[in-house]
Amino acid sequence: QSALTQPRSVSGSPGQSVTISCTGTSSDVGGYNYVSWYQQHPGKAPKLMIYDVSKRPSGVPDRFSGSKSGNTASVTISGLQAEDEADYYCCSYAGSYTFVFGTGTKVTVL
Amino acid sequence: EVQLVESGGGLVKPGGSLRLSCAASGFMFSGYSMNWVRQAPGKGLEWVSSIGSSGGHIYYADSVKGRFTISRDNAKNSLYLQMNSLRAEDTAVYYCTREGIFGVVADYWGQGTLVTVSS
Repeated sequence: QSALTQPRSVSGSPGQSVTISCTGTSSDVGGYNYVSWYQQHPGKAPKLMIYDVSKRPSGVPDRFSGSKSGNTASVTISGLQAEDEADYYCCSYAGSYTFVFGTGTKVTVL
Repeated sequence: EVQLVESGGGLVKPGGSLRLSCAASGFMFSGYSMNWVRQAPGKGLEWVSSIGSSGGHIYYADSVKGRFTISRDNAKNSLYLQMNSLRAEDTAVYYCTREGIFGVVADYWGQGTLVTVSS
């Protein structure tokens, strides 16, 4: 149950796009299309942004999109806005009703 | 409106025990699997344990296996986490989450309850 690997930080100017990667193994990310992404603002509970690799829950802006290739999943934030500055975590189903989170990425809006 | 409200956190000495509770409302609690997820101060998220809708399918992270016990009472719309033999590294905010979609650890989160293990 090793944590999935994410970049420590990414940054972009308002209006730009940023992409966060999430690398696992064939036992988690690569083995299932059950990758989700969470946004967490300081002092708050996380919020589901993407599930099943690329689906958006109701209310999440379409600026957020997800994808997966092999053992690496990614989330892209297009048209970056100030309110997107937060920590982002990926999470993958890992079989046998277990889950593994990513190490987390801090997104900074310059 | 889905609501998850955790309680039971606090300061406990190493080796001690604590029982967390999560009161659920706004949805049919008995129809959903539930999870506990924790976050150490300044650190990332860690999945802790899951339990199926009827109380079966119980699983734990290796880091807590043998020390923590997850349970639920569907009549009381409540989820529990009994934590024994607590260690300093168990210090974290513990979140109760609803697994509303298979393969998604959390479509809803509680506000969290802080557990501090320190002498």
